[in-house]
Amino acid sequence: DGGITQSPKYLFRKEGQNVTLSCEQNLNHDAMYWYRQDPGQGLRLIYYSQIVNDFQKGDIAEGYSVSREKKESFPLTVTSAQKNPTAFYLCASSPITGRGVDTEAFFGQGTRLTVV
Amino acid sequence: KQEVTQIPAALSVPEGENLVLNCSFTDSAIYNLQWFRQDPGKGLTSLLLIQSSQREQTSGRLNASLDKSSGRSTLYIAASQPGDSATYLCAVPGGATNKLIFGTGTLLAVQP
Repeated sequence: DGGITQSPKYLFRKEGQNVTLSCEQNLNHDAMYWYRQDPGQGLRLIYYSQIVNDFQKGDIAEGYSVSREKKESFPLTVTSAQKNPTAFYLCASSPITGRGVDTEAFFGQGTRLTVV
Repeated sequence: KQEVTQIPAALSVPEGENLVLNCSFTDSAIYNLQWFRQDPGKGLTSLLLIQSSQREQTSGRLNASLDKSSGRSTLYIAASQPGDSATYLCAVPGGATNKLIFGTGTLLAVQP
């Protein structure tokens, strides 16, 4: 089945620890995105990538890092510099057409990160 | 800066009712608008994508309309069912990439 796979579903982080969230897609999409969702707030963009080995900061990139070594993979690392990491993290992908941005975005099932 | 608003924040209706969810955006220069559904603790499921050149898009009991000039979109759900209970989100691209800007959603409860 084609889709986006996020793992793990639940993740617990101790104070001062870095953790990495996995996102894999087999849709052959060029663009991938990481969003953060907090209760009562809309989704906010952390990082995005439109091509392998290139990525851009979103609105709330501080305390996070990403890599895009393969087209199908876009892992997100939550570093110890992120002071309030408890949230629901969603990965998305979309194709990029010659016409620009008239394409549909697809999402994974999310990872819930909790600081313990 | 583009802002997306969804009203109401929550809605409860009896089964079988037709209902409308609203989405408004401040910058009418959008490429498209997408409606999503989110079940508790789950990811987002894409429901409908309306291109800027379209006024309506239909999928089953769902119909989404887009009025760019007034900065509004509506999602019409016909003959609602308890299984429609979820949070519904709308989103528009922020500029010349598909970075989406989301509303805060409408939590729908359909009572059996």
